[in-house]
Amino acid sequence: AQSVSQHNHHVILSEAASLELGCNYSYGGTVNLFWYVQYPGQHLQLLLKYFSGDPLVKGIKGFEAEFIKSKFSFNLRKPSVQWSDTAEYFCAVNGYSSASKIIFGSGTRLSIRP
Amino acid sequence: IAGITQAPTSQILAAGRRMTLRCTQDMRHNAMYWYRQDLGLGLRLIHYSNTAGTTGKGEVPDGYSVSRANTDDFPLTLASAVPSQTSVYFCASSAGPQTGELFFGEGSRLTVL
Repeated sequence: AQSVSQHNHHVILSEAASLELGCNYSYGGTVNLFWYVQYPGQHLQLLLKYFSGDPLVKGIKGFEAEFIKSKFSFNLRKPSVQWSDTAEYFCAVNGYSSASKIIFGSGTRLSIRP
Repeated sequence: IAGITQAPTSQILAAGRRMTLRCTQDMRHNAMYWYRQDLGLGLRLIHYSNTAGTTGKGEVPDGYSVSRANTDDFPLTLASAVPSQTSVYFCASSAGPQTGELFFGEGSRLTVL
């Protein structure tokens, strides 16, 4: 069975600080990986995704994530955060053999101090 | 284009009552999903459907049932609601499991007393 772990439950940063949110997954085969964001009062929207190819993927709003297969990780990064990045961030995975089951992590709440 | 429409947006329900959360999409997506979002637990998959006429169990299916009579609709039914089913429920769709991107509805907040 696939699973996703997000170890940072709540991260507080000042504007312009660099961000890295951890995501580790458990699955024995090929996976697709995603980061979704939920801004306050809104529904989830896709930030970026990895299917294959270059393990460094770039998403919207300056976010990027790196797939490290040997570490089963897909950490989200942003060099300089803004107050508007305040949101909850969810890592998600689906394995090729159970492609219908897109499983989410527990989420990381990001608070940015202006 | 509306995308995903969920109803009701909010509901308070007595324990033991039957409740159906409605979900309709206008994107002609094959795959649809129901998740529940709980504080500290993230989103957990309840049921999914790859295409009209098929459904599957997710991570937390007990106490819930779904049907997929056509492409657009994917209702979620709680046959006999219990307080532990108090949650925010999100319906989502995707063009197919391998495309990855889920499109979410606005959510239905359900409180079971």
